[in-house]
Amino acid sequence: GQNIDQPTEMTATEGAIVQINCTYQTSGFNGLFWYQQHAGEAPTFLSYNVLDGLEEKGRFSSFLSRSKGYSYLLLKELQMKDSASYLCAVRGDAGNNRKLIWGLGTSLAVNP
Amino acid sequence: DADVTQTPRNRITKTGKRIMLECSQTKGHDRMYWYRQDPGLGLRLIYYSFDVKDINKGEISDGYSVSRQAQAKFSLSLESAIPNQTALYFCATSDLKASSTDTQYFGPGTRLTVL
Repeated sequence: GQNIDQPTEMTATEGAIVQINCTYQTSGFNGLFWYQQHAGEAPTFLSYNVLDGLEEKGRFSSFLSRSKGYSYLLLKELQMKDSASYLCAVRGDAGNNRKLIWGLGTSLAVNP
Repeated sequence: DADVTQTPRNRITKTGKRIMLECSQTKGHDRMYWYRQDPGLGLRLIYYSFDVKDINKGEISDGYSVSRQAQAKFSLSLESAIPNQTALYFCATSDLKASSTDTQYFGPGTRLTVL
């Protein structure tokens, strides 16, 4: 079967760095996405990885290892507004019509 | 102006009523999707459409139907609403062009409560 695993909850302190992990088992791989979702709001796109390595975008970075079926989202200089759920999603192979497989999300609480 | 809009934003209805949720986009994307989100269950795909003449069932299509009226419009209908369809519903769009990453962009959501 196809599966994405993320920790359910994490807590961090304002100003600190936090790493949110995502592991996946899918039939094929055509890209991994990270989204941020504040409570009651829409998911918003953060990052996309399709090749191994680190993609950096301001305070946020995302890493991918295809051989390990592993990704992480790194958030630096945490701010209170970063308290949200972070969703990992993987696009499977073309046979699945390129649909996304979604993780359940990691709820991050940033404390002062 | 928002690129992906959904109407209504909130709706309370009764069991057995027919409900339509509407989605419009100005992004010029070919692909549109309907998801529902429930606590503990994450995002689940209801229906998706790759163009006006293409409609596909997702993982939880029972009890729902859709209409792609134009490239920019994709509506979701609940023919006879039931309480377990109470959820947050999201429309999303993505770009099919070869050079794109096919990233999905979400509308603001519709909170539906079925009593």
